Amino acid sequence: KNEVEQSPQNLTAQEGEFITINCSYSVGISALHWLQQHPGGGIVSLFMLSSGKKKHGRLIATINIQEKHSSLHITASHPRDSAVYICAVTISGTYKYIFGTGTRLKVLA
Amino acid sequence: EAQVTQNPRYLITVTGKKLTVTCSQNMNHEYMSWYRQDPGLGLRQIYYSMNVEVTDKGDVPEGYKVSRKEKRNFPLILESPSPNQTSLYFCASSSDLRTSAYNEQFFGPGTRLTVL
Repeated sequence: KNEVEQSPQNLTAQEGEFITINCSYSVGISALHWLQQHPGGGIVSLFMLSSGKKKHGRLIATINIQEKHSSLHITASHPRDSAVYICAVTISGTYKYIFGTGTRLKVLA
Repeated sequence: EAQVTQNPRYLITVTGKKLTVTCSQNMNHEYMSWYRQDPGLGLRQIYYSMNVEVTDKGDVPEGYKVSRKEKRNFPLILESPSPNQTSLYFCASSSDLRTSAYNEQFFGPGTRLTVL
């Protein structure tokens, strides 16, 4: 069993839909990260959080430390949001990262 | 422009022929790391470096070497590449994780390596 699990693995949505991607982890963490990998392969960091909720534009990330669970929400989805979204954690007490296998999102116009 | 660069971007080589993938960052970051990405397995950490001359193993260090002689550079060395090292490799950097786990990682563009 992977220490970081994401669901769903694949997601197709219509433009304008509200999207949720989930991440569960089984290790102690110092931070959780959401990354976006574009179709061309480039990776950018979207959020880092260890508690509560963060918002950036149409993206919202939440984390529940007790339940070891995080969600990434996209409101009013757009075709340009089509990408792979990756959850990663920094393992508590270390400087190591471990990653989920990603959620491939396709938003149709 | 703040960036992480990797070279080469694409490489096809043969088993056993030593190669180096270079990584350089211009943001004066302390932390640098190498990852490989494989279908179905996602990203996995190979090695990381907290600062000059300080390196440590990630989850999949076998078959790889690294060095950190200068703050800006963190080359990945495959001394005897094998076909199971065919992968997409990413270098990344961030500010010192010892001061904050919240430091954003900046990723290079990736190097696609094929070992025949």
